[in-house]
Amino acid sequence: SQKIEQNSEALNIQEGKTATLTCNYTNYSPAYLQWYRQDPGRGPVFLLLIRENEKEKRKERLKVTFDTTLKQSLFHITASQPADSATYLCALGNAGNNRKLIWGLGTSLAVNP
Amino acid sequence: KAGVTQTPRYLIKTRGQQVTLSCSPISGHRSVSWYQQTPGQGLQFLFEYFSETQRNKGNFPGRFSGRQFSNSRSEMNVSTLELGDSALYLCASSLGQQYQETQYFGPGTRLLVL
Repeated sequence: SQKIEQNSEALNIQEGKTATLTCNYTNYSPAYLQWYRQDPGRGPVFLLLIRENEKEKRKERLKVTFDTTLKQSLFHITASQPADSATYLCALGNAGNNRKLIWGLGTSLAVNP
Repeated sequence: KAGVTQTPRYLIKTRGQQVTLSCSPISGHRSVSWYQQTPGQGLQFLFEYFSETQRNKGNFPGRFSGRQFSNSRSEMNVSTLELGDSALYLCASSLGQQYQETQYFGPGTRLLVL
């Protein structure tokens, strides 16, 4: 069955360092992959989308890579700040007009001052 | 623009009861999707409504149903509640024109079934 795995353990890093989060998937060929941020008591907030034919996407301090051979996406936050502390979710989607995204469980990131 | 709103924010019910949750999308958005989020399963897609019609459906039993009104507001109903239905229920709205477009989530309704 389709499966998405994200770092199950919380990630603790020092302010100013680069945080790298991993999203691995099996038994699936996504047309695109999205990364979201979720804070406690709130809904997810969209961050970045990367398509299957794209290797890398950047937005300010965020960078996403997508390797369809390895079936893996890496999400980087450079120059991390305490305000970046949150849970980060990856979601995979199919081609076609289908919003049936498949979600990972998320990785909790804590940036220490 | 006001964001996606969901009511109520918290709800406590007992097994066997039914519940109705409401979602008001961002003005101009015609697509509303519903998700169930639990610690063990993460976010799972329930269904999507567009222009008052269910356009996509996840793998949930028939106890979970929804509808959308002409103003794009949507309701989700769960009948004969079970303990396992305790979860955070999220709705997300989007324009509904492209499958890759950004979805905007509401804060969710936390349902506890006793």
